[in-house]
Amino acid sequence: ETGVTQSPTHLIKTRGQQVTLRCSSQSGHNTVSWYQQALGQGPQFIFQYYREEENGRGNFPPRFSGLQFPNYSSELNVNALELDDSALYLCASSLENPGTGELFFGEGSRLTVL
Amino acid sequence: SQQGEEDPQALSIQEGENATMNCSYKTSINNLQWYRQNSGRGLVHLILIRSNEREKHSGRLRVTLDTSKKSSSLLITASRAADTASYFCATNSGYSTLTFGKGTMLLVSP
Repeated sequence: ETGVTQSPTHLIKTRGQQVTLRCSSQSGHNTVSWYQQALGQGPQFIFQYYREEENGRGNFPPRFSGLQFPNYSSELNVNALELDDSALYLCASSLENPGTGELFFGEGSRLTVL
Repeated sequence: SQQGEEDPQALSIQEGENATMNCSYKTSINNLQWYRQNSGRGLVHLILIRSNEREKHSGRLRVTLDTSKKSSSLLITASRAADTASYFCATNSGYSTLTFGKGTMLLVSP
């Protein structure tokens, strides 16, 4: 148990819809990162938030956006869903920024886009 | 994009045998980490090795790092059925983000 919780665990959407995924970071962790993991692939970095500001972004289009709240919890929003957005979305928190990069992952939200 | 590439993609062994997985990466790093993932669930941190270290141990795990070859290996000794999982190497290059490889699927049969 890492103390990072994500919701929902599974969801199904149709193409063109919007989705919001939520993450509560481990107590005391001020940095949250989001990753997308397609089936059979390694996690791909989407973006990172540190003290409520975006602090790094991977190669994802602007329809992927996020928020971090004062309690360090976070949201990932994806607009205009596409079939290729079907994946496991992983949230991870870390204690320091910059730090060693050791991440504490939640169990993920599995998104299926039909 | 993927920084690390694990080899082999899949590995099947018997309980009690050792399992070795390799990882190659492309750019300079601050540290390299190995994570484990059970059947599409969250990743669990196993071990971190810094760029100035060559070998590190944790229980049945041994990690080596060769920065001149940009490669690392993870050895799991005396494997158990419960070690069945996917294993990922991830590199840290100075920020709090990690770049993951595609992983090695390990199957340990009783």
